[in-house]
Amino acid sequence: GNSVTQMEGPVTLSEEAFLTINCTYTATGYPSLFWYVQYPGEGLQLLLKATKADDKGSNKGFEATYRKETTSFHLEKGSVQVSDSAVYFCALKGADKLIFGTGTRLQVFP
Amino acid sequence: DTGVSQNPRHKITKRGQNVTFRCDPISEHNRLYWYRQTLGQGPEFLTYFQNEAQLEKSRLLSDRFSAERPKGSFSTLEIQRTEQGDSAMYLCASSFGEQTRSSSPLHFGNGTRLTVT
Repeated sequence: GNSVTQMEGPVTLSEEAFLTINCTYTATGYPSLFWYVQYPGEGLQLLLKATKADDKGSNKGFEATYRKETTSFHLEKGSVQVSDSAVYFCALKGADKLIFGTGTRLQVFP
Repeated sequence: DTGVSQNPRHKITKRGQNVTFRCDPISEHNRLYWYRQTLGQGPEFLTYFQNEAQLEKSRLLSDRFSAERPKGSFSTLEIQRTEQGDSAMYLCASSFGEQTRSSSPLHFGNGTRLTVT
């Protein structure tokens, strides 16, 4: 069945550091891929998405590229801020429902 | 667009009691989803509706769980004879989809946190 694997956290960075959170997937067919973010005390928010191979999703300085050959959708940001501290979830959508990874906590220190 | 609304925000109940949660989706969305999230884990799919029809149920959804969406608008999730293992955050989400494969993202509510004592 479909599944998503994320790197375990927490990821701890200093402000302005480069961020990568790895995500790989297993799926039949051609799923859409998403990153969601959950800030402390808040609900899940869509961060970015990509719907086909080689698409790049981007938002708020975050980027991820849909790589079919490596079945990956790694999240990157060139310079993180303290306000980016949150839990990040990679997810795929096949026929109808979203399937999530276990989440990666990011902690950014000034 | 007022977003997805869930009530109550928190529910504490004793083991064996029944609880019911409500979800009001974004008004123009025809699909409504229920997920469960426990600490340190990603959301797990429970069930989803397209309009009033319940199209898929996870094996996680035991016979004690039932969900309805009677008029294709709001939905309720009921848990009967609650157990301590039911303690979790219950999330509702909605989206608009016309095809079997839809790239429309899900929009989530803030969830209902259930604690079973």
